[in-house]
Amino acid sequence: DGGITQSPKYLFRKEGQNVTLSCEQNLNHDAMYWYRQDPGQGLRLIYYSQIVNDFQKGDIAEGYSVSREKKESFPLTVTSAQKNPTAFYLCASSPWGTRAGTEKLFFGSGTQLSVL
Amino acid sequence: DQQVKQNSPSLSVQEGRISILNCDYTNSMFDYFLWYKKYPAEGPTFLISISSIKDKNEDGRFTVFLNKSAKHLSLHIVPSQPGDSAVYFCAAEETSGSRLTFGEGTQLTVNP
Repeated sequence: DGGITQSPKYLFRKEGQNVTLSCEQNLNHDAMYWYRQDPGQGLRLIYYSQIVNDFQKGDIAEGYSVSREKKESFPLTVTSAQKNPTAFYLCASSPWGTRAGTEKLFFGSGTQLSVL
Repeated sequence: DQQVKQNSPSLSVQEGRISILNCDYTNSMFDYFLWYKKYPAEGPTFLISISSIKDKNEDGRFTVFLNKSAKHLSLHIVPSQPGDSAVYFCAAEETSGSRLTFGEGTQLTVNP
């Protein structure tokens, strides 16, 4: 089955620790995205990548880093500089090249990150 | 600066009645609008969309209306079913088409 896999489902971060959230897709999509969901604030874009080895900052990129070495993978690292990392993180992908590409984002099932 | 706003955090309706979810936007460059549905601990799924050249788009029980002059769109669900209970996100896309901007979401509860 094609889809997007996020792991782990739950993750705990200690003070001063970097943690990496995994996102893998087998949909052959060019574009991938990371969103953060906080209660009452909807989905906010952290980073996105339209092609391998290229990515752009979203609205709340501070304290996060990403890489896009493979088309299938777009891991997100939450660094110690991110002072309020507790949130539900969603990875998404979409075809690229047409307007319809962003029409239907396909989301993973999310990772809940909590601070110990 | 919240460019897409859903002012109602929650909505409760009876099964069989109409559910109306509202969304307002401020960015005049938005020309494509979408609604996503999200269940707890899952990723959102695409529900319905509308281009700015239209004022209505219908898909089964779901209809989206767009009022460009008011920068307002709404999602109508008729008839509402208990399985429709979820968080609904409004999203908008600029002409450049590189990303979506989401609203805060509205929790819809359909009571049997």
